Amino acid sequence: DGGITQSPKYLFRKEGQNVTLSCEQNLNHDAMYWYRQDPGQGLRLIYYSQIVNDFQKGDIAEGYSVSREKKESFPLTVTSAQKNPTAFYLCASSIGHNTGELFFGEGSRLTVL
Amino acid sequence: AQKITQTQPGMFVQEKEAVTLDCTYDTSDPSYGLFWYKQPSSGEMIFLIYQGSYDQQNATEGRYSLNFQKARKSANLVISASQLGDSAMYFCAMREAYSLSAGGTSYGKLTFGQGTILTVHP
Repeated sequence: DGGITQSPKYLFRKEGQNVTLSCEQNLNHDAMYWYRQDPGQGLRLIYYSQIVNDFQKGDIAEGYSVSREKKESFPLTVTSAQKNPTAFYLCASSIGHNTGELFFGEGSRLTVL
Repeated sequence: AQKITQTQPGMFVQEKEAVTLDCTYDTSDPSYGLFWYKQPSSGEMIFLIYQGSYDQQNATEGRYSLNFQKARKSANLVISASQLGDSAMYFCAMREAYSLSAGGTSYGKLTFGQGTILTVHP
């Protein structure tokens, strides 16, 4: 089945450690996105990529890094520079960056101990 | 700047009844798209319905309809005949739209509201 797969679903990390969240899609979509969701809040855009080997910062990119070496993959690294990394992270894709609907994965919940 | 406001943190509805989830928006752009997403407890975001700012009729998708009042800048979601499986968080979102010289439409960033938790009682 076509879709977006995020892993791991749950992740625990000690302070000062980097952690990488995986996002893979088999929808043949060009654009991919990473959002952060905190309790009681909507989604905020971290990074997005319109094509392979290209990506742009969203609203809250500080403390995060991404890569887009393959069309299907858009991993997000939460670095130790992110001051409050505990959150729910959602990956999404769309046919193009300039099309309306986004398709989402099931999310990864990161907890910093 | 775009802004989406959902004023209802939580809503309750009896099974088989209709419910309206409120959404107001603020934009200076005349062209935009409005979206509703459902987020069940599993966490994934499920696209429900879309309304373009120039659409003459309110969008409908099965039991979902969007009550679009452009002058009031509101885009309320109406769920008819509520089911227990409708219990979830619901998000309103907006993207500004731009007409391309070659035809078609291009969209900007998707901005989300705070969400409304809907609970359906049996």
